[in-house]
Amino acid sequence: AQTVTQSQPEMSVQEAETVTLSCTYDTSESDYYLFWYKQPPSRQMILVIRQEAYKQQNATENRFSVNFQKAAKSFSLKISDSQLGDAAMYFCAYRSGLYPNFGNEKLTFGTGTRLTIIP
Amino acid sequence: DTAVSQTPKYLVTQMGNDKSIKCEQNLGHDTMYWYKQDSKKFLKIMFSYNNKELIINETVPNRFSPKSPDKAHLNLHINSLELGDSAVYFCASSQDPRSFANTGELFFGEGSRLTVL
Repeated sequence: AQTVTQSQPEMSVQEAETVTLSCTYDTSESDYYLFWYKQPPSRQMILVIRQEAYKQQNATENRFSVNFQKAAKSFSLKISDSQLGDAAMYFCAYRSGLYPNFGNEKLTFGTGTRLTIIP
Repeated sequence: DTAVSQTPKYLVTQMGNDKSIKCEQNLGHDTMYWYKQDSKKFLKIMFSYNNKELIINETVPNRFSPKSPDKAHLNLHINSLELGDSAVYFCASSQDPRSFANTGELFFGEGSRLTVL
């Protein structure tokens, strides 16, 4: 079974600075997806960024980028120019990419990192 | 329009009662899920349905019974509620995993916070 580990329960960063959240995962599959979801106090789960394992290029979405190291099974999230609205729980998640694959399309989540932005 | 909507958003009830949470998605997705988020914020899959068929049932007590009347709706009924059932329950949907258009992403509802007293 796949596992996702987030070793930083809490992180804080000064507004406008850069912060990196860590995530490692364990899998024997070669085809999969990785995600970062954000959960602000409103409770809504919001997709931040997605990475397909077959893509060597790191995904970027505006101020958010990932460092995907497939061999090391590492998937860190970098937030640049941190803003107050970035304060939230951040979850790393894994999804099998086997095709056709039915029943394993669930997301497996890490335990989350609570990010605090210091004004 | 809300893509994945759950009702109720808050539910407070006594131990032993039976309650239901409803979920609807208007994204045209074939697959829907129930996730449970405990007090430590850990998210765990409970069930998934594809086009009204149960696909995933992750060792959830029999007191939990999902029902999907059609592919746009997935309800969760809980019998004989226990203190440990207190959690936030998230509904989510995704495209059919067999579809080449599937991006792998799950779209979540806002969650339903269940408190059992």
